[in-house]
Amino acid sequence: GENVEQHPSTLSVQEGDSAVIKCTYSDSASNYFPWYKQELGKRPQLIIDIRSNVGEKKDQRIAVTLNKTAKHFSLHITETQPEDSAVYFCAAKDTGRRALTFGSGTRLQVQP
Amino acid sequence: EPEVTQTPSHQVTQMGQEVILRCVPISNHLYFYWYRQILGQKVEFLVSFYNNEISEKSEIFDDQFSVERPDGSNFTLKIRSTKLEDSAMYFCASKAGPSQRELFFGEGSRLTVL
Repeated sequence: GENVEQHPSTLSVQEGDSAVIKCTYSDSASNYFPWYKQELGKRPQLIIDIRSNVGEKKDQRIAVTLNKTAKHFSLHITETQPEDSAVYFCAAKDTGRRALTFGSGTRLQVQP
Repeated sequence: EPEVTQTPSHQVTQMGQEVILRCVPISNHLYFYWYRQILGQKVEFLVSFYNNEISEKSEIFDDQFSVERPDGSNFTLKIRSTKLEDSAMYFCASKAGPSQRELFFGEGSRLTVL
C-alpha cells in the first residue's frame, strides 16, 4: 500500500519568514495530494490540494509543488503569520482507493 | 456552512466495554469514513463506507470494529471490547461524490480507555 513520509516533524520560523514542508510517497499510481491544517484540538481542514497533472498550485500565501518523477511534493507558506501555527498533514491517494494515506504531520510554530 | 458533527466529544470507558461513536455526515454526501489519531501521531484510515456497505478497510479495522448507517443521517463506529490501545481521537469524515476531492472532517470523538 501507499506510504507517505513527511519532514520535518517540527518547524519553528519567525513571523514573516517562509516555511517549507516536504513529503514523499511510495505508490506511483497516486494522483491526488491534499494538505490539511489541524489547529490544536480542532478538526483537520483542507487548505490546498494538487492533482498529478499539475506541477504547482498557488493560493495566496500557500503553494504546493509536485515532482512526480521523484515522488515528492511540498507545501510552501510565505510571509508566515502566528495564525499559521498548527500541525500540517500531507496525504496521497490513487483513483483505485477511496481513502487518503496521511503523513505523520509537521508542527509549525510561527514566532511573533 | 454544513459540517460533519460527532458525538460524544469525549468518552471514558473501562477496558473490555463496548463503545459506539456517532457521526452525522453532511446531508448530501455519499461517502463516509472513520479515521483515528493516537495522541501526537498521524491520522490513520480505518474504514470507508458507500452505498450501505464497507468499500475499504485498513488492517486496524479488525473484528472488534464495525460500522453502521442505521438511518438516513447517522453513521456509527462500534468497538466491541475496547483495549487500552484504542485510546485515540476518532474522526468521522464525509465526501460528496466520486468526483469531489475534499474530505470534510468532524471535530472528533476522544476515546479514553482505562
